[in-house]
Amino acid sequence: DAGVIQSPRHEVTEMGQEVTLRCKPISGHDYLFWYRQTMMRGLELLIYFNNNVPIDDSGMPEDRFSAKMPNASFSTLKIQPSEPRDSAVYFCASHSGTEAFFGQGTRLTVV
Amino acid sequence: AQTVTQSQPEMSVQEAETVTLSCTYDTSESNYYLFWYKQPPSRQMILVIRQEAYKQQNATENRFSVNFQKAAKSFSLKISDSQLGDTAMYFCAFMKHWRSRLTFGEGTQLTVNP
Repeated sequence: DAGVIQSPRHEVTEMGQEVTLRCKPISGHDYLFWYRQTMMRGLELLIYFNNNVPIDDSGMPEDRFSAKMPNASFSTLKIQPSEPRDSAVYFCASHSGTEAFFGQGTRLTVV
Repeated sequence: AQTVTQSQPEMSVQEAETVTLSCTYDTSESNYYLFWYKQPPSRQMILVIRQEAYKQQNATENRFSVNFQKAAKSFSLKISDSQLGDTAMYFCAFMKHWRSRLTFGEGTQLTVNP
């Protein structure tokens, strides 16, 4: 298995633009998590899904953030409009039940 | 809510020596899971070791071992025979039950010097 795949690896965008981050979990994993890593706040959970259904989105910072999982093999995290304070590394992780497998993350820079 | 605290922002060790990274956590749960993750400069999050709270025996994985003190809510990581490739940020993490969210500590930057 190729592991959890995230794209793009790096994204630079201008303030106000829409940004979409993508994640393909490991096949057969029914839980998918989105985390954000910043220097100030460390690693924090944004949202997670079970069987494509959002279970807990309490970590989503504001309405500018939205996440979807239209099927078991694909999820997106969208920021619209983006702001400089959204600059961070965004991780997607899927669970086997005994271990969380992380993607390589997307480094987002909003200028 | 659970919290995880790593009180050592940075540590360094000489190659081949042993180093211990500290972690404390707070929870009212009796059964839970604890992890150490390694994040090298490539930023990939790599699982180093896991511990189930119901197991009294400390987990070991080759050169990595933990000292799990449930009553004290302490979960330290010992790295023996440190190697240059161990240089990374290390995160302690708590999970309430399988497939629930991970709560991370602030991280400890470990540098292994030649």
